Amino acid sequence: DAKTTQPPSMDCAEGRAANLPCNHSTISGNEYVYWYRQIHSQGPQYIIHGLKNNETNEMASLIITEDRKSSTLILPHATLRDTAVYYCTLRITDNFNKFYFGSGTKLNVKP
Amino acid sequence: ETGVTQTPRHLVMGMTNKKSLKCEQHLGHNAMYWYKQSAKKPLELMFVYNFKEQTENNSVPSRFSPECPNSSHLFLHLHTLQPEDSALYLCASSRRLAGGEETQYFGPGTRLLVL
Repeated sequence: DAKTTQPPSMDCAEGRAANLPCNHSTISGNEYVYWYRQIHSQGPQYIIHGLKNNETNEMASLIITEDRKSSTLILPHATLRDTAVYYCTLRITDNFNKFYFGSGTKLNVKP
Repeated sequence: ETGVTQTPRHLVMGMTNKKSLKCEQHLGHNAMYWYKQSAKKPLELMFVYNFKEQTENNSVPSRFSPECPNSSHLFLHLHTLQPEDSALYLCASSRRLAGGEETQYFGPGTRLLVL
């Protein structure tokens, strides 16, 4: 199975951009990259997804490298409420029932 | 609010009890999922229902029994659980699309404690 690798934790100052990296070197050509976040003891919240092109929505931007082996989630102006565990996940298309969730990155936004 | 609701939000049960978790989605989706999240572990996929049919059982013990009576409702029946089954149980739903683009939306979860 294709898998993702993320740093276990990161710090970010409030008001600054948070850049969360993810490696997915074994990604297949038709697999989407999804990002979710989970605030303590709540259900994961969808943030953004992409296939090849960079994407932006009201929450974040997603930058996918040309070879698709890595991506970066960008929160342009982090707030204290953005403190959460961020998961980079793959939509496994050879088994359409599966999403792979790794261990995620704990983002600590500090005043 | 994601459009996916779960009840109860918290549950304490003994090892000999029988209880059920309920999930309901108001998004018109056609696939529903149960996940287990133990402390400090990644999400583990348990069951998948696609158009009300179970299409995935990820080696889950038989003391967990899912039921999907229609595309909007999903249950997880619990009986003779063990303390190690204590975890956050998450329900999710999605709309199946061709080509693999499929966003899952999660409920708030049920925090289960087995004594």
